[in-house]
Amino acid sequence: GAVVSQHPSRVICKSGTSVKIECRSLDFQATTMFWYRQFPKQSLMLMATSNEGSKATYEQGVEKDKFLINHASLTLSTLTVTSAHPEDSSFYICSAAGTITDTQYFGPGTRLTVL
Amino acid sequence: RKEVEQDPGPFNVPEGATVAFNCTYSNSASQSFFWYRQDCRKEPKLLMSVYSSGNEDGRFTAQLNRASQYISLLIRDSKLSDSATYLCVVIDNFNKFYFGSGTKLNVKP
Repeated sequence: GAVVSQHPSRVICKSGTSVKIECRSLDFQATTMFWYRQFPKQSLMLMATSNEGSKATYEQGVEKDKFLINHASLTLSTLTVTSAHPEDSSFYICSAAGTITDTQYFGPGTRLTVL
Repeated sequence: RKEVEQDPGPFNVPEGATVAFNCTYSNSASQSFFWYRQDCRKEPKLLMSVYSSGNEDGRFTAQLNRASQYISLLIRDSKLSDSATYLCVVIDNFNKFYFGSGTKLNVKP
């Protein structure tokens, strides 16, 4: 099956710093990448959908200036959490799909802890 | 009403049991359906797609009932390793993905 990697897998940072998370599709071209957040014992919450070369589409309630998404190539998307605060601590998961209706393949996730 | 709804469980079953989960969706024009499995603190992994004609993969059977707007997942001969949370995913007619909140399964010895 398709492989998606995420880096870093775990990050601990101080409040006010920015954190960048990378999502890569290793063996296929991902036209669309999705970013999710999952709080403990809760379901995945879609944050934004990004298509290569265009601006991301953010879900209602997600601040686009706080969660910067860049999808510069067909194999790489990045999520930058700017000025992170403790309430941003969560499990961030990306997924990639060949087209918007294709199966989503998930990265292993990044556990962010903001102190 | 939520777009996709699942019974959160947990379903506690003994090894060898047969267990079934349902997932209801609200948009009758939804196009594609999937079951994902998520282990604790890990990312979801695709278990199987759900086709109109139903599909089977070993001990797992997925079915779609468009008239009643639900999909189901049947697991036969449960193994301890089947313990996980099972998420249903529905893609609507606008190509938007919706995840259910998941059904937790505990298979006990």
